[in-house]
Amino acid sequence: EAQVTQNPRYLITVTGKKLTVTCSQNMNHEYMSWYRQDPGLGLRQIYYSMNVEVTDKGDVPEGYKVSRKEKRNFPLILESPSPNQTSLYFCASSSGSGGYEQYFGPGTRLTVT
Amino acid sequence: QKEVEQNSGPLSVPEGAIASLNCTYSDRGSQSFFWYRQYSGKSPELIMFIYSNGDKEDGRFTAQLNKASQYVSLLIRDSQPSDSATYLCAVRPGNTGKLIFGQGTTLQVKP
Repeated sequence: EAQVTQNPRYLITVTGKKLTVTCSQNMNHEYMSWYRQDPGLGLRQIYYSMNVEVTDKGDVPEGYKVSRKEKRNFPLILESPSPNQTSLYFCASSSGSGGYEQYFGPGTRLTVT
Repeated sequence: QKEVEQNSGPLSVPEGAIASLNCTYSDRGSQSFFWYRQYSGKSPELIMFIYSNGDKEDGRFTAQLNKASQYVSLLIRDSQPSDSATYLCAVRPGNTGKLIFGQGTTLQVKP
């Protein structure tokens, strides 16, 4: 089954404790992206990757890191999480350069206390 | 001015009516336009995308793009209660990997 998986689905952590949210796709897609969704603000893009070893900032990259060492994986790293990073996070992938249909993962709800 | 703007709603229509959702964008260089549907607690899923001026139809859904006026709209004919969801407009500026979403419009279809 073609899918984007994210882990963990739910995470409660404390300020400053480094964490990684994993994202994996099995569709051989070149493009992957991370978004956060907050009430009233919609989806905002954090980082995207057009291919392996190529990453670029989206609209809200501060406080986040990403890496793309393999085509299928695109982890999101929060080196020192803060309460304002409490949000619902989605990973997405697509063929081409992101201009085509993006398949979204199930989401990761992160709470930073 | 936000880059992509939508009326947050809720937009309420009776079953069987036409629902009209609108989206305006600020970047004239935008090339690709998308409509996603998101049910409560679920991930967004693509309904339609459109690249050039005019209309694109897929079943009960029609996307309309007017680049001169910088708006894109989604029409849902014969609305069903199962269409009740939040509809997200997304715009791809230029030939980049960026995708900018509006805040979404909540649609309620009443039986």
